[in-house]
Amino acid sequence: NAGVTQTPKFQVLKTGQSMTLQCAQDMNHEYMSWYRQDPGMGLRLIHYSVGAGITDQGEVPNGYNVSRSTTEDFPLRLLSAAPSQTSVYFCASSYSRQGAGGELFFGEGSRLTVL
Amino acid sequence: QQQVKQSPQSLIVQKGGIPIINCAYENTAFDYFPWYQQFPGKGPALLIAIRPDVSEKKEGRFTISFNKSAKQFSLHIMDSQPGDSATYFCAAPGSARQLTFGSGTQLTVLP
Repeated sequence: NAGVTQTPKFQVLKTGQSMTLQCAQDMNHEYMSWYRQDPGMGLRLIHYSVGAGITDQGEVPNGYNVSRSTTEDFPLRLLSAAPSQTSVYFCASSYSRQGAGGELFFGEGSRLTVL
Repeated sequence: QQQVKQSPQSLIVQKGGIPIINCAYENTAFDYFPWYQQFPGKGPALLIAIRPDVSEKKEGRFTISFNKSAKQFSLHIMDSQPGDSATYFCAAPGSARQLTFGSGTQLTVLP
């Protein structure tokens, strides 16, 4: 079982460059989300989706863009990378809403460094 | 916006000890409080969760204690093992039923 697959696992960008972090899940989950993990900050929600064609902002959405054209895929786009976006990014999916008891299944993360 | 305060930031115990991690949350309209466990280089995974119609839930060596009036809940690990060394995150529901996570506790269990 693949679960939640994130690519790339590591990426180095220069300030101002753009890139897309890919996320795919094979569990037919309606709910998908992106988090960033920084030391001492825990996991902070960037964007989330409750189904194909529906996305919404989380706690820290600035500088990021998402779309959800299929149930399986939820890419995260960095529009113009900044050093403050250096972080580990996690994609997660769940069968139901997280806060209503939906277990989150996380990918293994994408470590991004912005120089 | 939901705030979740988690403590301590790091914790070192001897094998067999009982580490305790505490979390406090603000108002929430939804009752579901999970703990996630993360090993180095991996994504977090659900460890145990509680709905506070009960004050305590046990799964193996892991126990959640919940105090709804104080808006606090804690994770206890009985007979801790070196394999329990990981980062632990608590979470509470926020707006739109999305989870807000605590800042994490790095647990080290010495052999």
